[in-house]
Amino acid sequence: DTGVSQDPRHKITKRGQNVTFRCDPISEHNRLYWYRQTLGQGPEFLTYFQNEAQLEKSRLLSNRFSAERPKGSFSTLEIQRTEQGDSAMYLCASSLVQGRWMDTGELFFGEGSRLTVL
Amino acid sequence: KNEVEQSPQNLTAQEGEFITINCSYSVGISALHWLQQHPGGGIVSLFMLSSGKKKHGRLIATINIQEKHSSLHITASHPRDSAVYICAVNRGSQGNLIFGKGTKLSVKP
Repeated sequence: DTGVSQDPRHKITKRGQNVTFRCDPISEHNRLYWYRQTLGQGPEFLTYFQNEAQLEKSRLLSNRFSAERPKGSFSTLEIQRTEQGDSAMYLCASSLVQGRWMDTGELFFGEGSRLTVL
Repeated sequence: KNEVEQSPQNLTAQEGEFITINCSYSVGISALHWLQQHPGGGIVSLFMLSSGKKKHGRLIATINIQEKHSSLHITASHPRDSAVYICAVNRGSQGNLIFGKGTKLSVKP
């Protein structure tokens, strides 16, 4: 399968623990996005990368959250000292953008990583 | 007020009915996306449009830039169309999307 893959699909952790999610985008895609979605809501933007450069980071992202895309391929999203409010589905999407940097292109989403913080 | 509003929030239809889901936005945009999300979380891109109308199978998406409004139509609806449909906009000044809360569609046989 050459779609976007996310790992793990489900994570249950205790408050205060650190968690890391991984996203493998479609191989030729230069853009990679992270979103968070809670029940009954639409996805909320967290951050995005163009190749290895992190171009934007949402104000929603506290300093407990960090994301990397070291070689412009896969990306990791780490949450330190998790809180119950971090419980959500974390979605990754990728796209190919050529030309204007403010375009997003057609997004291809992974299945998401569901986090439950007890 | 959210920058992207969808209506209705929930929609129940009988198989075969023509369905319309609406999306209004309050910001200038460069493109609008319609997405489909099935139970379990997976999201699929249906349309990306910046003007006019696009059609794919039984799905039609239209956008009116002046009125800041878009509609997603489903003709001859089927139970497999049951999903959450999400509208998202690209403001054009940033490379990311703002999402609506989604419209939950249930099509009964």
